Amino acid sequence: EVQLVQSGAEVKKPGDSLKISCKGSGYNFIAYWIAWVRQMPGKGLEWMGTIYPADSDTRYSPSFQGQVTISADKSISTAYLQWSSLQASDTAMYYCARLEVYSHTALGYWGQGTLVTVSS
Amino acid sequence: QSVLTQPPSASGTPGQRVTISCSGSSSNIGGYSVSWYQQLPGTAPKLLIHTSNQRPSGVPARFSGSKSGTSASLAISGLQSEDEADYYCATWDDSLNAVLFGGGTKLTVL
Repeated sequence: EVQLVQSGAEVKKPGDSLKISCKGSGYNFIAYWIAWVRQMPGKGLEWMGTIYPADSDTRYSPSFQGQVTISADKSISTAYLQWSSLQASDTAMYYCARLEVYSHTALGYWGQGTLVTVSS
Repeated sequence: QSVLTQPPSASGTPGQRVTISCSGSSSNIGGYSVSWYQQLPGTAPKLLIHTSNQRPSGVPARFSGSKSGTSASLAISGLQSEDEADYYCATWDDSLNAVLFGGGTKLTVL
């Protein structure tokens, strides 16, 4: 069974750093792109970027370039999303998802989401 | 304001057929296939349609997708109460060089 399990909810202060994780299982982790998607409270979905774990090829959406860092450790089948200095506007639910091979926008399996709250 | 325009809300009664539109341009829907997602309250999104009109395994046949020109549509036939959710379209945009989601449509089953 394909599963993506994300790390737990985080409460941070503005200026803090943070790294959240997404562990894949039940499939060949290195063979599929992993995407990160943001959902701010009460708002829609936003595609942040993708990573190919086999070689860590990473693509960022222009809105998120320079704002976050996406990485992966293929040895432990885990992708990461990190911030060096959080802002209150980073408060959101963050999902990781597996990009299916048959479409450049088909996210077929999703993690449960990681809620990040940034507040002073 | 999303580049991909969806109606903010839609509604129908059980058994009805409802359609949700997603309007774009030649740089996105006009040149690329569309995916559709369903997000039930408090849960992660679920892929309903890919490549504009293909259903992943396990998605009921009453969900269908289509694309014409710079617009795409998701149709739900035999509406059920459990279909009450938010629905999002997604596609690539080559002028923004990014994958875009529509703003989402909240479907209410009356």
